[in-house]
Amino acid sequence: GAGVSQTPSNKVTEKGKYVELRCDPISGHTALYWYRQSLGQGPEFLIYFQGTGAADDSGLPNDRFFAVRPEGSVSTLKIQRTERGDSAVYLCASRVTGSGNYGYTFGSGTRLTVV
Amino acid sequence: QKEVEQDPGPLSVPEGAIVSLNCTYSNSAFQYFMWYRQYSRKGPELLMYTYSSGNKEDGRFTAQVDKSSKYISLFIRDSQPSDSATYLCAMTYQGVGNQFYFGTGTSLTVIP
Repeated sequence: GAGVSQTPSNKVTEKGKYVELRCDPISGHTALYWYRQSLGQGPEFLIYFQGTGAADDSGLPNDRFFAVRPEGSVSTLKIQRTERGDSAVYLCASRVTGSGNYGYTFGSGTRLTVV
Repeated sequence: QKEVEQDPGPLSVPEGAIVSLNCTYSNSAFQYFMWYRQYSRKGPELLMYTYSSGNKEDGRFTAQVDKSSKYISLFIRDSQPSDSATYLCAMTYQGVGNQFYFGTGTSLTVIP
């Protein structure tokens, strides 16, 4: 597609429920990142995929968070036993290998609200 | 202490004004410096980038990096109402694939 697509754009869930957030990167982009942006804050790194593997998952806050990218394109961020503190905008970004540190394209994000 | 500090504003200026946005950082290993613009309910979009120290100009925008002071700036000349957005600074280390460290963002409103 023309840009990074994230679905759903908005998600409201009850505390304790499981949610999945989807990221469809730009075709051919091998690097994929997830960031979390809380209200009034800058994005914070969660995880980085190079191809199918998680090259850096040091930003995942705890074991309730997990992400996959089984075929090296679409990625899913999974959150178990959601808590109100998980409420934020979850941003996905992708980059084509060789474009350097500047070639990221961000999606519009999924706004997650845990009630 | 956060790695990157940025005054959140909000900043309100009249159309045509010169805007100065700034960030400070603590990690001297940062080598790549970027400014992103984020409109409401949209993802950040890259505006300017600089490697190491120096200045870079692109139209009405100028980015400056002073590594000795650990201070970066973005200047917007002849500001327009369409420049109203949140401006995020970001930086990262040498090497590709490293995570970006973002400031909190500065909210800018340009009044017609």
